[in-house]
Amino acid sequence: AQSVAQPEDQVNVAEGNPLTVKCTYSVSGNPYLFWYVQYPNRGLQFLLKYITGDNLVKGSYGFEAEFNKSQTSFHLKKPSALVSDSALYFCAVRDIGGTGRRALTFGSGTRLQVQP
Amino acid sequence: KAGVTQTPRYLIKTRGQQVTLSCSPISGHRSVSWYQQTPGQGLQFLFEYFSETQRNKGNFPGRFSGRQFSNSRSEMNVSTLELGDSALYLCASTPAGQGAAGELFFGEGSRLTVL
Repeated sequence: AQSVAQPEDQVNVAEGNPLTVKCTYSVSGNPYLFWYVQYPNRGLQFLLKYITGDNLVKGSYGFEAEFNKSQTSFHLKKPSALVSDSALYFCAVRDIGGTGRRALTFGSGTRLQVQP
Repeated sequence: KAGVTQTPRYLIKTRGQQVTLSCSPISGHRSVSWYQQTPGQGLQFLFEYFSETQRNKGNFPGRFSGRQFSNSRSEMNVSTLELGDSALYLCASTPAGQGAAGELFFGEGSRLTVL
């Protein structure tokens, strides 16, 4: 089975400060990992993904994420937060081990609040 | 290129009724997935279709069904609606050829309220 944990329901950060949104995963094989963002009353927007290769992945809007296999983590980061980054962030995983195609499994989401 | 289009955006139904939601994927995308989003359960996978075939199904009762047409457009149907079916239903499509590595492109969702 595959699962994702986002341990923080909400993260508060001041504008201009660095931000981190945490994500850990559990899979039986190797993971494909994704981050999405959701603004109020909107669908999810893709930010970035880790498939293979460099552990540091860069994505949209200045976001990046670091894949750590030993800690089974894929934390989302941004060097300098903007008020417009305030939204709901979802981490997702797909286990590519075994047979058959697995659906993308999402974490519970973390609400990011960036204060001016 | 137009994004994923879902209709209707908002609808209100009463218990016992049925509802059909529609999704038009991005042109060229052949895989369509459906998710249910609620405050309590978060994002839960409903089903995935590829080339008119259901490729994967989540843990939902048989009242939830879907289909995909030859033009990749998809519909999902919920029969005998219950209060707990109130949710945002999200459709997503994936580019052809990317397989499991492909990211999902989501529509704005259909918000269903069951009274």
